[in-house]
Amino acid sequence: EDKVVQSPLSLVVHEGDTVTLNCSYEVTNFRSLLWYKQEKKAPTFLFMLTSSGIEKKSGRLSSILDKKELFSILNITATQTGDSAVYLCAVSGGSNYKLTFGKGTLLTVNP
Amino acid sequence: SAVISQKPSRDICQRGTSLTIQCQVDSQVTMMFWYRQQPGQSLTLIATANQGSEATYESGFVIDKFPISRPNLTFSTLTVSNMSPEDSSIYLCSVRTVSTDTQYFGPGTRLTVL
Repeated sequence: EDKVVQSPLSLVVHEGDTVTLNCSYEVTNFRSLLWYKQEKKAPTFLFMLTSSGIEKKSGRLSSILDKKELFSILNITATQTGDSAVYLCAVSGGSNYKLTFGKGTLLTVNP
Repeated sequence: SAVISQKPSRDICQRGTSLTIQCQVDSQVTMMFWYRQQPGQSLTLIATANQGSEATYESGFVIDKFPISRPNLTFSTLTVSNMSPEDSSIYLCSVRTVSTDTQYFGPGTRLTVL
């Protein structure tokens, strides 16, 4: 059974801090790892990672995958209150493209 | 990315009734999925909606409780049948686009069962 573990489960920081969110996984026939931001109901897509060592970057957010050690990190620099959300990590494995999600990291950024 | 709409956005229902949720995509997609997110939990896949045939259900989910239709490449419905308070969740439609392996989510339906 595919498994995704995220840490920490919650995190409180001040504006301007840098945070690192962790995601480890076990999956049969790995296809990709995805990061989402969930503020209310709908998860918003952030990154999809398929290859080790290649950093994906979007503004203050970046992410990298290590397929040997089976983990990924999501970095957010110069955090803002608008970054407060649940960050979800998911893996896609096998031929049916279904996603297995971790429990998420609740990030709270205080002014 | 695809533009996905879901309706209703939210609903409050009585125990024993059924609710049908609609998902519409603005472009043809290869795969459509239905997820459930119970309060305080992460997302769990209910089923893959297959065009013109029966959906593929995950362990713990059955067709009698969650009938799904997908009559064409851009539209699907999920029905939550004979509801109980335990069915109170956010229900999310997601799609996999033709050009990428990425999955995008619709805005979700927040269901409360009294």
